Amino acid sequence: DAGVIQSPRHEVTEMGQEVTLRCKPISGHDYLFWYRQTMMRGLELLIYFNNNVPIDDSGMPEDRFSAKMPNASFSTLKIQPSEPRDSAVYFCASSGMGRGLSGYTFGSGTRLTVV
Amino acid sequence: QQQVKQSPQSLIVQKGGISIINCAYENTAFDYFPWYQQFPGKGPALLIAIRPDVSEKKEGRFTISFNKSAKQFSLHIMDSQPGDSATYFCAAINQAGTALIFGKGTTLSVSS
Repeated sequence: DAGVIQSPRHEVTEMGQEVTLRCKPISGHDYLFWYRQTMMRGLELLIYFNNNVPIDDSGMPEDRFSAKMPNASFSTLKIQPSEPRDSAVYFCASSGMGRGLSGYTFGSGTRLTVV
Repeated sequence: QQQVKQSPQSLIVQKGGISIINCAYENTAFDYFPWYQQFPGKGPALLIAIRPDVSEKKEGRFTISFNKSAKQFSLHIMDSQPGDSATYFCAAINQAGTALIFGKGTTLSVSS
């Protein structure tokens, strides 16, 4: 298995532009999570899906952030418009058991820089 | 989000020494406590995990100690090696929880 695949690995964009981050979870995993990592706040849960349905999006910071999971093998996190404070590493993770008992498998992340 | 407090923020240990990272939690309903290890440029990876019905779990050089009454748990790395240099995150979740809640991480540097 190739693991959780995220793209792009790095993204540099100008303030005000739309940014789309992509994730392919591990086949057969029915939970998908989006986390954001910064030095100040550590790993923050943004949103998670179960069987492609958003379950909890209370961590999404603002209406500028949106996430979709149109099918079991693909999810996107979109920021529109982007702001410098959105600069962070965004991780996607998947799990076969939402309570983490089997461990989450994280992708390698997307490092977003908004200038 | 429910909090998991982790300390220290950074740690420097000599090769062969013991690294100790501590975490404290508030929610007594938490019932699963994993530790994740993250190397630069990579996502976190599950290292070891414990349930509150045991006080200690050991896997190789890595041990979790759990104190239910104090609501604290810690990671001990015995005979620390330069290859252990990474960021370590504690986490917690409960039966009604939505997803893992992570501590802010500890950056460990093992000097040779």
